[in-house]
Amino acid sequence: VALVQSGGGLVQPGGSLRLSCEASGFLVGDSYMSWVRQAPGKGLEWVSVIFGGNSDRTAYVESVRDRFAISRDISNNTLYLQMTSLRPEDTAVYFCARTFADGYIKYWGQGTLVTVSS
Amino acid sequence: EIVLTQSPATLSLSPGERATLSCRASQSISTFLGWYQQKPGQAPRLLIFDASRRVTGIPARFSGSGSGTDFTLTISSLEPEDFAVYYCQQRSNWPPLTFGGGTKVEMK
Repeated sequence: VALVQSGGGLVQPGGSLRLSCEASGFLVGDSYMSWVRQAPGKGLEWVSVIFGGNSDRTAYVESVRDRFAISRDISNNTLYLQMTSLRPEDTAVYFCARTFADGYIKYWGQGTLVTVSS
Repeated sequence: EIVLTQSPATLSLSPGERATLSCRASQSISTFLGWYQQKPGQAPRLLIFDASRRVTGIPARFSGSGSGTDFTLTISSLEPEDFAVYYCQQRSNWPPLTFGGGTKVEMK
């Protein structure tokens, strides 16, 4: 099982960015997949989940609802996080994660830094 | 939203000593609690799930206990590689998932 992330970088406030997370060793369509972020020097914050079983059901932490969108492409076995209306407080390392149905995270991507600054 | 409060924020210990980390939930979460270890520049690693069940491959010196609102992670005898930050995470009626603020175990 591996999760390889791409995307991230520097973006101005109000801008948009898309993060990608390519999976191997399992099918993202079958799995619960989450994004978790960590602001510099801070703790972990769960951001979003897309449910397993090829469900369209998603959930978000309140602070990103209506700005971020989680999705997956089964043909590419890849998870995405589309981030819009970015704010300085969204600056963090973003991890993609395979979340088991019981809510625990055993597999993590390597993380990618998103910096929101003018 | 369920809030998790970890204490202490920092624990200064020597190799071979026992580490006791606490996590308190703002409401009862039964045993729906996990513990993660994170080293600088790395992703977290799941150690314990459902309060006391050790993940396959995690050394036996790591143990978890508790239920309801009060939980403990114990490292019976610290090894050099155990100095890291530890987070608790609850999954009661998720989503959302929530994490505690972390406890840093540093070398004295």
